[in-house]
Amino acid sequence: EAQVTQNPRYLITVTGKKLTVTCSQNMNHEYMSWYRQDPGLGLRQIYYSMNVEVTDKGDVPEGYKVSRKEKRNFPLILESPSPNQTSLYFCASSLNGYEQYFGPGTRLTVT
Amino acid sequence: GENVEQHPSTLSVQEGDSAVIKCTYSDSASNYFPWYKQELGKGPQLIIDIRSNVGEKKDQRIAVTLNKTAKHFSLHITETQPEDSAVYFCAPYTVYNFNKFYFGSGTKLNVKP
Repeated sequence: EAQVTQNPRYLITVTGKKLTVTCSQNMNHEYMSWYRQDPGLGLRQIYYSMNVEVTDKGDVPEGYKVSRKEKRNFPLILESPSPNQTSLYFCASSLNGYEQYFGPGTRLTVT
Repeated sequence: GENVEQHPSTLSVQEGDSAVIKCTYSDSASNYFPWYKQELGKGPQLIIDIRSNVGEKKDQRIAVTLNKTAKHFSLHITETQPEDSAVYFCAPYTVYNFNKFYFGSGTKLNVKP
């Protein structure tokens, strides 16, 4: 089944404790993105990648890192999480760069 | 970046009625206009899209119309059903933005049985 998977789905952590949210797609898509979703703000793009080893900042990249060492994986790294990064996170992939397929989401709480 | 506005933010209709959600954007170079549906607890799902050289596109009960001059496009849902209840997002895209996306703030549609 063609899909985008994210792990973990739920995470509660404390300020400053490094964490990684994994994202994997099995559709051989070149394009991948990370978004955060906050009430009333829609989805805001954090980082995107157009291919292996090619990444760039989206609208809200501060406090996040990404890497794209393999085509199928695009992990999101929070080196020192803060409470304002409490949010719902979505990974997405695309074959052509604009028709996006989203994962199920990761709900992160930073206390 | 692109300034995207969606209206209304919430919409409540009776089952069987029609629903219309409007999305306005600022970048006149935008050339791809999708609508996503997000059901509770799930990720957004692309339901319909239109390219800039087309004025309207229909897929069964849903349609999207585009007015490039006025810089807005709309989602139309006819004969609404309870399973249409969800949050809908627009995300106009400009090809030269190289994979940068800007989403509207969403419209919560409630279809009452």
